[in-house]
Amino acid sequence: SQQGEEDPQALSIQEGENATMNCSYKTSINNLQWYRQNSGRGLVHLILIRSNEREKHSGRLRVTLDTSKKSSSLLITASRAADTASYFCATDAYTGGFKTIFGAGTRLFVKA
Amino acid sequence: SQTIHQWPATLVQPVGSPLSLECTVEGTSNPNLYWYRQAAGRGLQLLFYSVGIGQISSEVPQNLSASRPQDRQFILSSKKLLLSDSGFYLCAWEQGTYEQYFGPGTRLTVT
Repeated sequence: SQQGEEDPQALSIQEGENATMNCSYKTSINNLQWYRQNSGRGLVHLILIRSNEREKHSGRLRVTLDTSKKSSSLLITASRAADTASYFCATDAYTGGFKTIFGAGTRLFVKA
Repeated sequence: SQTIHQWPATLVQPVGSPLSLECTVEGTSNPNLYWYRQAAGRGLQLLFYSVGIGQISSEVPQNLSASRPQDRQFILSSKKLLLSDSGFYLCAWEQGTYEQYFGPGTRLTVT
């Protein structure tokens, strides 16, 4: 089963609105990351939050982490049409070599 | 600065044919390398990862294999493709920070 699961699966908003995406995971983690993928392209790293951090900001992005609930949220403020993409959360897992496990993603569509 | 290349960008192959996808990284040494597959509209499935030359870990039993003949070269292969091998293949590198940097991907269609 997947470690990270995003919610909602798809989100459609108007330009200027805020977009919130959630991620839940099952096991203890060292950190959680958010990535963005434009259609047909590779993923781009957005932000990493460590297990001892509760909130992190990067430009219009705000990420929160609640390890007691095993969940994280990504907030994009004042969205733009260019923010249209899929967003994935990813968590690390140690199995004889660190690897990162990705969720299924949230598809965000920002209407101009 | 570091860059990662993948080729080809797109590939259409018949069932039963062989496969070779190549990934190379520039501007870094001894990276951890990853191969993922992504089905349409889905998340990433980790296929293989490598922490060094000749060191390959397989995550999913399948008819694919991977090799790392050089420090910054990672190859994904198959002797006989199946229809279910169709997908978007992504290579990524990482170097101890957990942050992964992805290549542009190869879209494989098996017909």
